[in-house]
Amino acid sequence: DSGVTQTPKHLITATGQRVTLRCSPRSGDLSVYWYQQSLDQGLQFLIQYYNGEERAKGNILERFSAQQFPDLHSELNLSSLELGDSALYFCASSLTASPSNEQFFGPGTRLTVL
Amino acid sequence: QKEVEQDPGPLSVPEGAIVSLNCTYSNSAFQYFMWYRQYSRKGPELLMYTYSSGNKEDGRFTAQVDKSSKYISLFIRDSQPSDSATYLCAMSSNSGGSNYKLTFGKGTLLTVNP
Repeated sequence: DSGVTQTPKHLITATGQRVTLRCSPRSGDLSVYWYQQSLDQGLQFLIQYYNGEERAKGNILERFSAQQFPDLHSELNLSSLELGDSALYFCASSLTASPSNEQFFGPGTRLTVL
Repeated sequence: QKEVEQDPGPLSVPEGAIVSLNCTYSNSAFQYFMWYRQYSRKGPELLMYTYSSGNKEDGRFTAQVDKSSKYISLFIRDSQPSDSATYLCAMSSNSGGSNYKLTFGKGTLLTVNP
């Protein structure tokens, strides 16, 4: 158990809908990362927050947005969902924003868009 | 050319075999090199971490980085059925901003047969 929690574990929804994925980082970690894992693209970095502020952005679609709250938990919002958004979404956390800090991954949320 | 290339396998070996997993990369700014292990339906967990070039050993696992060839390796000695998982290489630079993001290989699926 990494100490990172993600809810829900599974999510099934329809095209065009909007969903929110939630992540609680390990106690003491200030940085949160979101990743998308699909069979064809592998594990892709989406976005990073550090202590409430956006720190780095990867291949995140404009339909997707995220935020980190004062209690450091984070939410990833996915809107106007398409079939291709079906994937595993992982949250990871680390102590600081430095790349030398280990990132601890949560168990993931499996999103299925029908 | 993708930034990080990794042979997806699958790789099947008998118990006790030495396993060699490899990644090549194109971004010469990468300084941090990691190997993650991902069991089915779980989040990735950090296995080995190396900064810049050189070797690192931890029990049955050895990580090697050759920056001149842009090539990293993970060796598993005396492989066990419990080593059966997907192994992902990951790397990042330390030049700040979005360069802190981890870039992953697609992963190699390893099966160790008893």
